[in-house]
Amino acid sequence: GESVGLHLPTLSVQEGDNSIINCAYSNSASDYFIWYKQESGKGPQFIIDIRSNMDKRQGQRVTVLLNKTVKHLSLQIAATQPGDSAVYFCAESGFQKLVFGTGTRLLVSP
Amino acid sequence: GEEVAQTPKHLVRGEGQKAKLYCAPIKGHSYVFWYQQVLKNEFKFLISFQNENVFDETGMPKERFSAKCLPNSPCSLEIQATKLEDSAVYFCASSQAYQEDEQYFGPGTRLTVT
Repeated sequence: GESVGLHLPTLSVQEGDNSIINCAYSNSASDYFIWYKQESGKGPQFIIDIRSNMDKRQGQRVTVLLNKTVKHLSLQIAATQPGDSAVYFCAESGFQKLVFGTGTRLLVSP
Repeated sequence: GEEVAQTPKHLVRGEGQKAKLYCAPIKGHSYVFWYQQVLKNEFKFLISFQNENVFDETGMPKERFSAKCLPNSPCSLEIQATKLEDSAVYFCASSQAYQEDEQYFGPGTRLTVT
C-alpha cells in the first residue's frame, strides 16, 4: 500500500546551521508533495510544495528537493533558527487526501 | 474567515459516550478534510467533502463515525459510543481546488476518552 516514511525521528542542530530533513515515499505514481511544520498544540502549517515535474523548489530559507528515481524527498532549511524547532512532516497528495509520514522532530539549540 | 476554525479545543468523554466535533472551513473553500492524529505521530485520513457531498470516505470507521457538511453550517464529525482508542487530535483542513492545492489546517480538537 501507500506509505510515506522519514529516515530520522529527531534532528538536533545548532542555531545558524543548515538542516536537512529526509523523506522516502513508496507510491511512484505520486505527483504532488508537501512539507508541513507542526508546532506543539497546533495544526500543520504549510511550508513548501513540489510537483513531480520539478526537481527543486525554493522558498524563503527553505528548499525542497525531489528525486523521483529513488523516491526521495528532502527539506533543507538554511540558517536554522530556534523558531524552526517543530515536527516536520512530508505528505503525499493522492486524489486530494494527504498521506503523511511519521514526522521528524527538529531541535534547534542556541 | 481566513482560518479554519475548530471547536471545541478539548473534549473529554467517558467510554461509550457520544462526541461531536465542529469545523468551519475557510470561506470560499470547496473541500473539507478530516484527519486523526494519534500520539503526535502520523495522520490518518478519515473523510473528505466537496461542499456538502461526501467525496472520499475510505478512512472512516463506519460503525461509529459519521460526518456532515451542510450548507450554512459548520461541518461536523460525530463519534457514537466512543472507545479509548478514539483518543486523538482531530484536524480539519480545507482547500480551494481539487488536486494539487494546499490544504489549510485548523488548530485541532483534542478528544480524550476515559
